[in-house]
Amino acid sequence: GQNIDQPTEMTATEGAIVQINCTYQTSGFNGLFWYQQHAGEAPTFLSYNVLDGLEEKGRFSSFLSRSKGYSYLLLKELQMKDSASYLCAVSFSWGKLQFGAGTQVVVTP
Amino acid sequence: GAVVSQHPSRVICKSGTSVKIECRSLDFQATTMFWYRQFPKKSLMLMATSNEGSKATYEQGVEKDKFLINHASLTLSTLTVTSAHPEDSSFYICSAAPGTRNTEAFFGQGTRLTVV
Repeated sequence: GQNIDQPTEMTATEGAIVQINCTYQTSGFNGLFWYQQHAGEAPTFLSYNVLDGLEEKGRFSSFLSRSKGYSYLLLKELQMKDSASYLCAVSFSWGKLQFGAGTQVVVTP
Repeated sequence: GAVVSQHPSRVICKSGTSVKIECRSLDFQATTMFWYRQFPKKSLMLMATSNEGSKATYEQGVEKDKFLINHASLTLSTLTVTSAHPEDSSFYICSAAPGTRNTEAFFGQGTRLTVV
C-alpha cells in the first residue's frame, strides 16, 4: 500500500529556517516531489528528487534517502509569503502522484 | 514551465444536474492527464488517470459512472460530475506531465464545485 506521513503544522519566525520531514512507504518509487499550495489555489512545483542527496533551488532545498524512505524540504530565510501548505508527493508511476496530507507552515513576524 | 489550463475556476450547480470541467495542456501534448479531488484542509486524492483515445483508469472507491472522463484529444481531458449531490462539492484539480520521462506534473488552476 501507499503511506506518506508529514507533520500537520509548523510555525516559524520570519527570517528563520524550517525543515519539513516526509516519510513514505510505497509499492513503487519514481521520484519524490514537493509542492507549495496556498489556500484555494492549485499546487505549485518546488522541487524533485529521484536520487539520494540534496537538491538546492534558491531558498528551498530538498533531501532524499531512498533506503530510509525519507525526505525533507528546507525553507531558508522565511518570508511571510511562505505561509502555505507544503505537500510531499511520491511518484510511483509516470506523472501519477500520491500526496501526503500536507504541512501547514505559519510564518510569524 | 508547461501550462495546464482548467475551466471553469468556480461553478455552482443544483443537485441532480451535471457539471463538466475541462483541462487543457496549452503548450504540450498530453497522452495522459490526472484528476484529483481535494476536500477542505485535506490533501489531494487521485481520482483517475485519463488516457487519450481509451478508457480512463479509476482509483479504488471512485464511481466511474458518476465521474465521467473523456480524453478525446492530446490536449484536452474533461471530467463530468453527473447527478451532482452536495457531497460532491469539492476542489477538483487536473494535472499533466509533458514528455515521456519522469518530470514534474503541472497542475491546472483547479475548479471549486459547489452543489446546492
